[in-house]
Amino acid sequence: NAGVTQTPKFQVLKTGQSMTLQCAQDMNHEYMSWYRQDPGMGLRLIHYSVGAGITDQGEVPNGYNVSRSTTEDFPLRLLSAAPSQTSVYFCASRRDVYGYTFGSGTRLTVV
Amino acid sequence: GENVEQHPSTLSVQEGDSAVIKCTYSDSASNYFPWYKQELGKRPQLIIDIRSNVGEKKDQRIAVTLNKTAKHFSLHITETQPEDSAVYFCAPYSGGGADGLTFGKGTHLIIQP
Repeated sequence: NAGVTQTPKFQVLKTGQSMTLQCAQDMNHEYMSWYRQDPGMGLRLIHYSVGAGITDQGEVPNGYNVSRSTTEDFPLRLLSAAPSQTSVYFCASRRDVYGYTFGSGTRLTVV
Repeated sequence: GENVEQHPSTLSVQEGDSAVIKCTYSDSASNYFPWYKQELGKRPQLIIDIRSNVGEKKDQRIAVTLNKTAKHFSLHITETQPEDSAVYFCAPYSGGGADGLTFGKGTHLIIQP
């Protein structure tokens, strides 16, 4: 039982490049979310999903896309990377009214 | 949506003393009240939670208390140790709005030796 697995752990992108952050969970959780964490800003919700085929926007969705084709996977796509997207990204999953299990995070730098 | 505030933003205590962090929320429909701990460079981890039908819950040196009337809940850490140094987040769940969860901005707890 691996929990929530995020890849890669570190990434450097050039402005304008695109990439996908991967997230997979093996706990059969319905809810999955992506957060970004910046110094002094706490955790801000980017996109979330309440089940396969259902996604919705969070607080800071611009510049990101998501899809949820299976219960297990919830990838986050950066369409055209900008320096403002330099951050630590966390994927998380949970069952209904329970606490989140977080992945180990992806530290992204856009230059 | 839910408005969540945590106080204080930074808390420094002597090792062995107690620490209390307060989280206030606005949505009276909130019914699940977790606390997360995030050590430097690590992922947030759930450390304790409480549901709306319970007023207090303890787990060794940590406890959470809930005041639904006043719409706040608190994290209590007794006999603080160096490994308690971390950022603590509350995230009350209301079941409504985006994802149903709103994280507080976090409290940086510093344990002074």
